[in-house]
Amino acid sequence: GQSLEQPSEVTAVEGAIVQINCTYQTSGFYGLSWYQQHDGGAPTFLSYNALDGLEETGRFSSFLSRSDSYGYLLLQELQMKDSASYFCAGVNSGGYQKVTFGTGTKLQVIP
Amino acid sequence: NAGVTQTPKFQVLKTGQSMTLQCAQDMNHEYMSWYRQDPGMGLRLIHYSVGAGITDQGEVPNGYNVSRSTTEDFPLRLLSAAPSQTSVYFCASSHVRDSSYEQYFGPGTRLTVT
Repeated sequence: GQSLEQPSEVTAVEGAIVQINCTYQTSGFYGLSWYQQHDGGAPTFLSYNALDGLEETGRFSSFLSRSDSYGYLLLQELQMKDSASYFCAGVNSGGYQKVTFGTGTKLQVIP
Repeated sequence: NAGVTQTPKFQVLKTGQSMTLQCAQDMNHEYMSWYRQDPGMGLRLIHYSVGAGITDQGEVPNGYNVSRSTTEDFPLRLLSAAPSQTSVYFCASSHVRDSSYEQYFGPGTRLTVT
């Protein structure tokens, strides 16, 4: 099975950069996804890393290191609307996209 | 495209009652899944399906049944509701061969069992 750990809360200033970490212990790991969820809303997909290294999508970047069983989400030029919960999710190599979600990090952006 | 739709949005049940949460998608996705999310926690996989007629258990399947008779629909049945099943339930779908593994989520059903 898989277990993915994240810090429970992070606070950052508007306009700054914040990094949200995810460490995992898993068998059959295939890749790491990231999702954003605003309070009362549904999760929305941000990014996916199948290979080691950095993937950049606008203000958001995601990094994976398989050798360290570690990944992170980097948010640049923080905006107030980025205040949300962020989840890493491990994709199981058993195929069919069986996904295990991490514990989630609540990001608060302050002025 | 409506994407992933779920009904009802809110539901209150008494202990022992049964009900079905509905989920439908219009994106011709092969993969569909049900998650529950308890306050302040991540999503836990209940059941999933990789196509019509094929379902399998996730992390927390006890007390729930699913079936997949069509590509579009994936209902979740609570057999005998218990207070421990109070949660927000999300349905999600995706293409099996999508290399980004992006899942699309419905708006959720907020269930309270008294």
